[in-house]
Amino acid sequence: AQRVTQPEKLLSVFKGAPVELKCNYSYSGSPELFWYVQYSRQRLQLLLRHISRESIKGFTADLNKGETSFHLKKPFAQEEDSAMYYCALSFTSGTYKYIFGTGTRLKVLA
Amino acid sequence: KAGVTQTPRYLIKTRGQQVTLSCSPISGHRSVSWYQQTPGQGLQFLFEYFSETQRNKGNFPGRFSGRQFSNSRSEMNVSTLELGDSALYLCASSQSSSPGELFFGEGSRLTVL
Repeated sequence: AQRVTQPEKLLSVFKGAPVELKCNYSYSGSPELFWYVQYSRQRLQLLLRHISRESIKGFTADLNKGETSFHLKKPFAQEEDSAMYYCALSFTSGTYKYIFGTGTRLKVLA
Repeated sequence: KAGVTQTPRYLIKTRGQQVTLSCSPISGHRSVSWYQQTPGQGLQFLFEYFSETQRNKGNFPGRFSGRQFSNSRSEMNVSTLELGDSALYLCASSQSSSPGELFFGEGSRLTVL
C-alpha cells in the first residue's frame, strides 16, 4: 500500500543550526512529492515540490528513488521556520490520490 | 483571486446529530478534496471530486459522504456523529485533473460533545 512516513513528530533545533525533516514513502511507480507547511494561525500551503527543484525560503528537498526518501533540508534554521511540516505523495494510477504523512512540528529555539 | 472558502469555521454538535460542511474552491478549480486533520493522525484523505464525480474515497465509514455541484462548490456530510469525529476538516482545490498543488481552506473545526 502507498504510504508516507514522517518518523519525527517534533523536531527542536537552535537558530542557525541545520535542519533535516525526514520523509520516506512507499510507492512502486513514479510519484510526485511535495512538502506543505502550516504556520501558526495560517492555512496549509505548498512549500515545494520535487519536480520544480526550487529552493523556497532556503529549504531544499531531493527525491531519492533508491532510498524512497524526500527529506527537507535547510542549512541554517530561522525562528520563523517554526511550523508544522507535512510530506505528501500524489499519483494518478487509475484514480486520483494524494497521501499525507502525519507531520513534523519544527521548533526553532532562539 | 479569492482563496478556498469553508463554512462554517466552527461548530459544536452532540453525538447522533449530523453536520454539513461547505467548501467553495478557487474560481476555475474543478477538483475539490476533503481531509480530516487531527493531532495524532495528521491529514487523512476523505474523498475527492472532479466535475461532480467522486474519483476516490478514503477509508472512512459510510457516515461520511460528499458531493460536488456544477459550480464546483462541494459539501461534505457526516451523519450520526461520534465523539471521535471531532477534528478540523480541510477542503482543498486544485486546477487540473491530475494531482498538483493543493490550495487549502482554513478549515471547519467540528467539536462533538
